[in-house]
Amino acid sequence: EVQLVESGGGLVQPGGSLRLSCAASGFTFSSYEMGWVRQAPGKGLEWVSYITSSGDNKYYGDSVKGRFTISRDNAKNSLHLQMNSLRAEDTAVYYCAKDHGVGAWDFDDWGQGTLVTVSS
Amino acid sequence: SYELTQPPSVSVSPGQTASITCFGDKLGDKYACWYQQKPGQSPVLVIYEDTKRPSRIPERFSGSNSGNTATLTISGTQAMDEADYYCQAWDSSTSHVVFGGGTKLTVL
Repeated sequence: EVQLVESGGGLVQPGGSLRLSCAASGFTFSSYEMGWVRQAPGKGLEWVSYITSSGDNKYYGDSVKGRFTISRDNAKNSLHLQMNSLRAEDTAVYYCAKDHGVGAWDFDDWGQGTLVTVSS
Repeated sequence: SYELTQPPSVSVSPGQTASITCFGDKLGDKYACWYQQKPGQSPVLVIYEDTKRPSRIPERFSGSNSGNTATLTISGTQAMDEADYYCQAWDSSTSHVVFGGGTKLTVL
């Protein structure tokens, strides 16, 4: 059974940093692309970032490009999102998600999400 | 940037067919997928590659995609299908994942 467990969320001041992690199990992590998707309170889904299985290629949504960095450790079956220069509009539940297939760019398994609140 | 447009809400009576649309420029040239999200839960993939259904998803869920519109169809809608539904596609020109704004399906 695929399991994705996010951690690292919390309350941070504007301009601050936070690092999210996602522990993966139940599948061959190193074979799948992974992504982060967020959802602001009461709002819809917004794509944040995507990383290829090897970690060689990384992609970002326009609203986070230059501030967020996605990475992965295939030896430890973990995905990370380093978030810098945080803004109030980054407040959201952040989901870790597994790509459905090889470069399918859709997500068939999701974590339970971790809440990030940016506020003074 | 590429955009996907969904109606904010759709209502359907139990046992009837619900159709939720997703509009995007030349969307039929891309693969569309659909997610179901119930309150307080994570999204669930219900349709991928326009028409394919994950094994755990009931047969009453189906999809189509042609021209500028992708459609999620739920036949014999049940109360348990009440949820928010999001379409999603990949814009190859920018390598961006794009979500529609979501549609709240009410079964009444």
